Amino acid sequence: RKEVEQDPGPFNVPEGATVAFNCTYSNSASQSFFWYRQDCRKEPKLLMSVYSSGNEDGRFTAQLNRASQYISLLIRDSKLSDSATYLCVVNDMNRDDKIIFGKGTRLHILP
Amino acid sequence: DAGVTQSPTHLIKTRGQQVTLRCSPISGHKSVSWYQQVLGQGPQFIFQYYEKEERGRGNFPDRFSARQFPNYSSELNVNALLLGDSALYLCASSFQPDRKETQYFGPGTRLLVL
Repeated sequence: RKEVEQDPGPFNVPEGATVAFNCTYSNSASQSFFWYRQDCRKEPKLLMSVYSSGNEDGRFTAQLNRASQYISLLIRDSKLSDSATYLCVVNDMNRDDKIIFGKGTRLHILP
Repeated sequence: DAGVTQSPTHLIKTRGQQVTLRCSPISGHKSVSWYQQVLGQGPQFIFQYYEKEERGRGNFPDRFSARQFPNYSSELNVNALLLGDSALYLCASSFQPDRKETQYFGPGTRLLVL
């Protein structure tokens, strides 16, 4: 099992729809989790941290399920500007290679 | 305030050559991390430095080395370049290397090895 796995997509979703991505991780000792967004040929930018209790930021909701070792990202009322690659990040400060990115999920919002 | 800056933006080298990439963190940030991103993949962690000391190392060969200077800027060196080293090299800074610290990425250096 890969350390951090994401469905590469692409997810082609009509504007206004709700879309959800999951990301699974293999190390149960992982300590913190993030979602980053990366536009084509640009650097990754933090979208949101993922807290144990779940957290929401506008149209975006992140959840953590430690028992099943996955995190999720839900985007409501999707906009054309949401088209990007969404990267899952798992951080375990007890390891030398402590910061692990998934390969990303590509999202295309269709007009 | 300026964000993370990296130089050069693009670089073309040939196999066997050596390359040095530079990164300046956000003012006040003391931790710098380096990542390699190959097309179609997520960034892969190479190094993390904090207060001029290595705090983490990813699964990269010894051809890759880095250092951090007293002003917290950093250099990544790659020796004996291989074709497979062609990638986007990203630098990220954070105030400290705490697991909850947000990392802010620079625009990257695109390296092409011919």
